[in-house]
Amino acid sequence: DAGVIQSPRHEVTEMGQEVTLRCKPISGHDYLFWYRQTMMRGLELLIYFNNNVPIDDSGMPEDRFSAKMPNASFSTLKIQPSEPRDSAVYFCASSPVSRSGELFFGEGSRLTVL
Amino acid sequence: GENVEQHPSTLSVQEGDSAVIKCTYSDSASNYFPWYKQELGKGPQLIIDIRSNVGEKKDQRIAVTLNKTAKHFSLHITETQPEDSAVYFCAARISGKGKLTFGQGTILTVHP
Repeated sequence: DAGVIQSPRHEVTEMGQEVTLRCKPISGHDYLFWYRQTMMRGLELLIYFNNNVPIDDSGMPEDRFSAKMPNASFSTLKIQPSEPRDSAVYFCASSPVSRSGELFFGEGSRLTVL
Repeated sequence: GENVEQHPSTLSVQEGDSAVIKCTYSDSASNYFPWYKQELGKGPQLIIDIRSNVGEKKDQRIAVTLNKTAKHFSLHITETQPEDSAVYFCAARISGKGKLTFGQGTILTVHP
C-alpha cells in the first residue's frame, strides 16, 4: 500500500484566502484523523472520523475550519478565511480497527499564510 | 480529557550512550501508550507501544516501561546511534476512545 497520501505538500497563501488540504487514507482503515503541528503547541488533534462520520471535532479551532469525509478514501480540511496564525504542518493519519491505536501518518501539508 | 506531559524537551547524548524520555498522563482511564519517532520532513511513525496490562516491553534497543500507579511511562534507547536522532513523541489513549493525545515531543540528538 502507498500509505496515507496528503496534498499539497506545501502551500503558501495570503491572509483571507481559502485553503483546502486533502487526504487519502490507507485502504481498509476505518479511522481518519487530522492533526496540526506547531512548535508552540506540538501535535494537536483537530478532528477524527470513524467510518466517514465525524466523532470528535472539539479540537477544531474555530468556525473558519471545517473537515469532511465524503467517502472512505478521501477527506478534506478547509480553512476559510485563512490567517497567519494558521501557519503549521497539518497531518492526516488513518488507523485500522483491527490494530486499534496505531496511527499511520501522511507526510504532512506545510501551510504558510502570509 | 487526557493531558500528557513529556520531558525533557531536548536531549543530547554521545553515540553509544543510553537515552531516557519520560511522560506522565492525567486520566487513569488511559490504557494504551505508544511512542512515535518523527524524522525531519516526515510524519510520526510508531516505534513501540505498551498497554496497561503490561509493565515493560522491549524491542531490540528500545524499551518502554509503564507505572500505572504513578501514571507515568518512559522510553529507553540503549546503544544510541546517530540515526536515532529525531523528535520522539509519547501519547496516551483513553479506553474506548479513538483519539491519541500526544506529549510535546523530545528532540534527541546523538553525536557521533
